[in-house]
Amino acid sequence: DAGVIQSPRHEVTEMGQEVTLRCKPISGHNSLFWYRQTMMRGLELLIYFNNNVPIDDSGMPEDRFSAKMPNASFSTLKIQPSEPRDSAVYFCASSVELGSYGYTFGSGTRLTVV
Amino acid sequence: GDSVTQMEGPVTLSEEAFLTINCTYTATGYPSLFWYVQYPGEGLQLLLKATKADDKGSNKGFEATYRKETTSFHLEKGSVQVSDSAVYFCALSSNSGGSNYKLTFGKGTLLTVNP
Repeated sequence: DAGVIQSPRHEVTEMGQEVTLRCKPISGHNSLFWYRQTMMRGLELLIYFNNNVPIDDSGMPEDRFSAKMPNASFSTLKIQPSEPRDSAVYFCASSVELGSYGYTFGSGTRLTVV
Repeated sequence: GDSVTQMEGPVTLSEEAFLTINCTYTATGYPSLFWYVQYPGEGLQLLLKATKADDKGSNKGFEATYRKETTSFHLEKGSVQVSDSAVYFCALSSNSGGSNYKLTFGKGTLLTVNP
């Protein structure tokens, strides 16, 4: 298994532009999570899905952020319009349904908004 | 709500020194406990886990014991190597309130091992 695959690895964009981050979870995992990591705030859970359905999006910072999971093998996190304070590393993780198994993380997307 | 508190870093050690990173938790229900490691420029990797009281998780020379009486899950290694330099995260997964899908992470502890 190739693990959780995220793309792109790095993204540099100008303020105001739309940014789309992509994630392919591990086959057979039915929970998917989006995290943001910054030096100031550490790891923040943005949203998670179970069986492609959003369960908790209370961590999404504002309406500029949206996430979708159209099928079991693909999810996107979109920021529109982007702002410099969105600069961070965004991680996707997946897991089997039971929490005791832990998560498998992707390598992350480093987003820089200038 | 659930929370994880781990010792603040950074922690700097010489090679072959003994390592302890403290972690305590607060949770409703009966959580599973984890340690994750993040090497520079990479995502988090599961290092070890324990799912019930008195369980000991171990991997790559690291160990942690689930202590329900002290609500702790301290990470230890007897002899660290330069390659252990990374950020270490303690986490829990609680099965109460229907939130068993969600991991709660500590803030992370940066470990630097010097040759």
